[in-house]
Amino acid sequence: EDKVVQSPLSLVVHEGDTVTLNCSYEVTNFRSLLWYKQEKKAPTFLFMLTSSGIEKKSGRLSSILDKKELFSILNITATQTGDSAVYLCAVEEGDSSYKLIFGSGTRLLVRP
Amino acid sequence: EPEVTQTPSHQVTQMGQEVILRCVPISNHLYFYWYRQILGQKVEFLVSFYNNEISEKSEIFDDQFSVERPDGSNFTLKIRSTKLEDSAMYFCASSLTGVGMSNYGYTFGSGTRLTVV
Repeated sequence: EDKVVQSPLSLVVHEGDTVTLNCSYEVTNFRSLLWYKQEKKAPTFLFMLTSSGIEKKSGRLSSILDKKELFSILNITATQTGDSAVYLCAVEEGDSSYKLIFGSGTRLLVRP
Repeated sequence: EPEVTQTPSHQVTQMGQEVILRCVPISNHLYFYWYRQILGQKVEFLVSFYNNEISEKSEIFDDQFSVERPDGSNFTLKIRSTKLEDSAMYFCASSLTGVGMSNYGYTFGSGTRLTVV
């Protein structure tokens, strides 16, 4: 059965800390791995990763994929209270339908 | 920035009633999806829709569920006879295409919270 596992499940840090969120996967027809931020409602897109070893960056956030070891990490440096959210990892799977298989998410709380 | 629009934002219905959840995907997108998230649980895939037909559905998407694109702009999810366990946030999503395209654009709507009482 295809699965996506995220760790830790929750994390509490102080502003300015750096955090690393983990995502491992076992998916038969892997196409890409995506990171989303979910604050109140809809997941909002952060990164899409398709190739191993190529870091994607957006401001204080960065992510990298290892297709050999089947995992990805999401790093957030100099965390701010606005980074508090649930971070979702999803793997795009399939030959034709591009469905996403989500992990349970990591709930990040950044304290002032 | 283009958005996926869902209505209503919250719907309360009695067990056994039919509900229709509505979505307006991004206009030039070709693939349409429904996901659901039961409170405190994972986001789960329900169904994908392409070229006016279902391309894939999950085990959750049983005979009580159906999808339709009635007029080329709306994309609807119908639950024929709701059960208490159908209470969840339902997300619509659309995408232009799959992996490898720079304008991938897999975008989620804000969701409809369905409460079955």
